[in-house]
Amino acid sequence: LAKTTQPISMDSYEGQEVNITCSHNNIATNDYITWYQQFPSQGPRFIIQGYKTKVTNEVASLFIPADRKSSTLSLPRVSLSDTAVYYCLVVNFNKFYFGSGTKLNVKP
Amino acid sequence: EAGVTQFPSHSVIEKGQTVTLRCDPISGHDNLYWYRRVMGKEIKFLLHFVKESKQDESGMPNNRFLAERTGGTYSTLKVQPAELEDSGVYFCASSQDRLGRFGYSSYNEQFFGPGTRLTVL
Repeated sequence: LAKTTQPISMDSYEGQEVNITCSHNNIATNDYITWYQQFPSQGPRFIIQGYKTKVTNEVASLFIPADRKSSTLSLPRVSLSDTAVYYCLVVNFNKFYFGSGTKLNVKP
Repeated sequence: EAGVTQFPSHSVIEKGQTVTLRCDPISGHDNLYWYRRVMGKEIKFLLHFVKESKQDESGMPNNRFLAERTGGTYSTLKVQPAELEDSGVYFCASSQDRLGRFGYSSYNEQFFGPGTRLTVL
């Protein structure tokens, strides 16, 4: 399984854009990059997934450079409710490796 | 549409006892997974069912853990006998099969349940 490295924690303020970068140096050709969000006492929740370049949905954008050895999750204008742990996963087939995640703390 | 449900939400048992956790996946999802987070560590994969068959059980820690998915619907995870180190949160997830860019199911979104918190005293 390809492992990922991401910052342990980040602080932000409401209304700011937050970028969380993840490194995955040993990503394989067939791997997808996926981000999950987890609130306390809940299961992880899918945010976004991509293979290369840029992917955008209603909640986030995912930027993946050509070498795919890193990726950046971008959350536009965060609110207090975005305080959570964010996991970067490299997914091949069905086995997920979660890593330690990034604890995002959004302050008022 | 109902999400993935897990029962019970909490379970407190004594060392040596048996506990059975249940997971009901989203209707129509052939793939069902079990994960666990032990003692604040990382969420770790336990096993994966495709319908009633075990596709991958490489993450099961030892033979005290038994997972079943009779009929390909709900699944149970039994721990017998439970040990102190089994305490943690057990998550279940389910997904559909989707063809990815490589023509097989390399892309799928797993929907997680709220987890069962197991405490072994």
